[in-house]
Amino acid sequence: DQQVKQNSPSLSVQEGRISILNCDYTNSMFDYFLWYKKYPAEGPTFLISISSIKDKNEDGRFTVFLNKSAKHLSLHIVPSQPGDSAVYFCAASGAGSARQLTFGSGTQLTVLP
Amino acid sequence: DSGVTQTPKHLITATGQRVTLRCSPRSGDLSVYWYQQSLDQGLQFLIQYYNGEERAKGNILERFSAQQFPDLHSELNLSSLELGDSALYFCASSVLPDSLNTEAFFGQGTRLTVV
Repeated sequence: DQQVKQNSPSLSVQEGRISILNCDYTNSMFDYFLWYKKYPAEGPTFLISISSIKDKNEDGRFTVFLNKSAKHLSLHIVPSQPGDSAVYFCAASGAGSARQLTFGSGTQLTVLP
Repeated sequence: DSGVTQTPKHLITATGQRVTLRCSPRSGDLSVYWYQQSLDQGLQFLIQYYNGEERAKGNILERFSAQQFPDLHSELNLSSLELGDSALYFCASSVLPDSLNTEAFFGQGTRLTVV
């Protein structure tokens, strides 16, 4: 039972345009959500997070939106740059889970120059 | 550099063998997590230790075990290896296991290949 789902395995976007990566979750106990970026041969790197008391968090070119009623979050990257090409993982944690992260299967973002 | 160190980076071994993966957490982090990433899969949580004690267990096989030592480094032991155990194994660390707004920092992973 996949509690965190990223339904798009890949996404291609032109440089300078917006990238939107989506994530859905099923567990109502999740109260903290994170996005990680992963380059080949490296470990995941924390990118941005949002707690369930907010519906938006912005950090430079990256914005995460949370829609609790839909159990959906999205990551917006504006403007997209070729260096953003990586696999993006959505992750979630909840108070009852000792804070271990439940990950989605990832979305490969390719930003075309 | 996340500050989390994993060794070895690569490991090739035969079926039926046993291996030990090592993780040194970031300085000051008390919590260590182990994750497995199989081909084209997301990261699956295996087990978590906090300050030497097992804190949470995920989808960890009985053939696998882990421990966290007094100096806070952790080892993941995989025994009776099968071809399906071939995967990337990541270690992550964080300061506190129960605090909101605490992200985990990941090492570069150990790529295990069972032949």
